[in-house]
Amino acid sequence: AQRVTQPEKLLSVFKGAPVELKCNYSYSGSPELFWYVQYSRQRLQLLLRHISRESIKGFTADLNKGETSFHLKKPFAQEEDSAMYYCALAPYNFNKFYFGSGTKLNVKP
Amino acid sequence: EAGVAQSPRYKIIEKRQSVAFWCNPISGHATLYWYQQILGQGPKLLIQFQNNGVVDDSQLPKDRFSAERLKGVDSTLKIQPAKLEDSAVYLCASSLPRTGNTGELFFGEGSRLTVL
Repeated sequence: AQRVTQPEKLLSVFKGAPVELKCNYSYSGSPELFWYVQYSRQRLQLLLRHISRESIKGFTADLNKGETSFHLKKPFAQEEDSAMYYCALAPYNFNKFYFGSGTKLNVKP
Repeated sequence: EAGVAQSPRYKIIEKRQSVAFWCNPISGHATLYWYQQILGQGPKLLIQFQNNGVVDDSQLPKDRFSAERLKGVDSTLKIQPAKLEDSAVYLCASSLPRTGNTGELFFGEGSRLTVL
């Protein structure tokens, strides 16, 4: 069965420190992976997707098929990065999305 | 471009009462989703429409929840009768048709339901 696991409910780091939000998945096939973000008082929105191989707001994520992980990383956290982050999985045709339980990132000044 | 619109933003009802939520997706988005997000959890898919047809409603508690998408545009989600465990944020999302879909879901602001 498909599952997305985000082991950390809360992650607190100081401004300028590196940050890594963990995401592990289980899926029988080759899924597409995404990170969605929800800033305070804003709607849930796409941050980045694996298929685009992009870096958004300094964040990157590498798909490790061997470890079935898709961790989100940023070398130097900023206070404006404080938000809820959700890892999501979809089959190749994007016909269904599964979300993790989310990690709250708190970047302290 | 207007985003996904939802109403009401907040609703407080007593158990066994009924409630309805409305969603207007982004123009041209054929796929519409209703998610339930309980506090401390990630969004859980309740029902997915492709135009006005149901693609997946396997997680919808059909004894109390119903949803429709008339004319393939707006959608309503109804709960009747509500239970305490239905307290959650109900998120509507839409996406492009499959051929143009890059995997991005566009979410509304959500409707927060409190059942007392």
